[in-house]
Amino acid sequence: EAGVTQFPSHSVIEKGQTVTLRCDPISGHDNLYWYRRVMGKEIKFLLHFVKESKQDESGMPNNRFLAERTGGTYSTLKVQPAELEDSGVYFCASSQPYSGNTIYFGEGSWLTVV
Amino acid sequence: GQNIDQPTEMTATEGAIVQINCTYQTSGFNGLFWYQQHAGEAPTFLSYNVLDGLEEKGRFSSFLSRSKGYSYLLLKELQMKDSASYLCAVEPYGNKLVFGAGTILRVKS
Repeated sequence: EAGVTQFPSHSVIEKGQTVTLRCDPISGHDNLYWYRRVMGKEIKFLLHFVKESKQDESGMPNNRFLAERTGGTYSTLKVQPAELEDSGVYFCASSQPYSGNTIYFGEGSWLTVV
Repeated sequence: GQNIDQPTEMTATEGAIVQINCTYQTSGFNGLFWYQQHAGEAPTFLSYNVLDGLEEKGRFSSFLSRSKGYSYLLLKELQMKDSASYLCAVEPYGNKLVFGAGTILRVKS
């Protein structure tokens, strides 16, 4: 069974540009999460989808970040316009429907804004 | 607020036992996870504790005391491949995880 896959694995963009990160969760996982780790800091929650609905987006830093999950399958996270402080590793994770199930992480998308 | 504390780094010898501690203060508690992360790779699930006590899984065990806000991960018979970052994460509510900064474990021969 395929794990959580993310694309691109690495991206270098200039300040002010737009980047879209994609996440394909494990098949059958209704829960999809985005997390972020900036240099030297802990992994922090961004948001949580249940199917196509945003369950909790309390961790989204500002309105330059837009997450979507049309059709309840894959998800995208768009950063527009990117700022230097957006650099970090963006992790996607997924889990089966109820609390306490193992949350599986992808390898992350490394974003560098220069 | 949410606060998860774990040591920044630890070093241990191959074949030995090491205990990585985690203390937490969170607004709620549904469970506590331990993940292993090798550099450049995905965090990999190791254990999940929701009740007090010790959960054993092969060379890895995890302990939880909810009243003390404390957990530890115990690694036995250390191998070089166990060198990695170990992440303690608490689920305060609804599937959302709050992570500690991680403990970098170095296993030396």
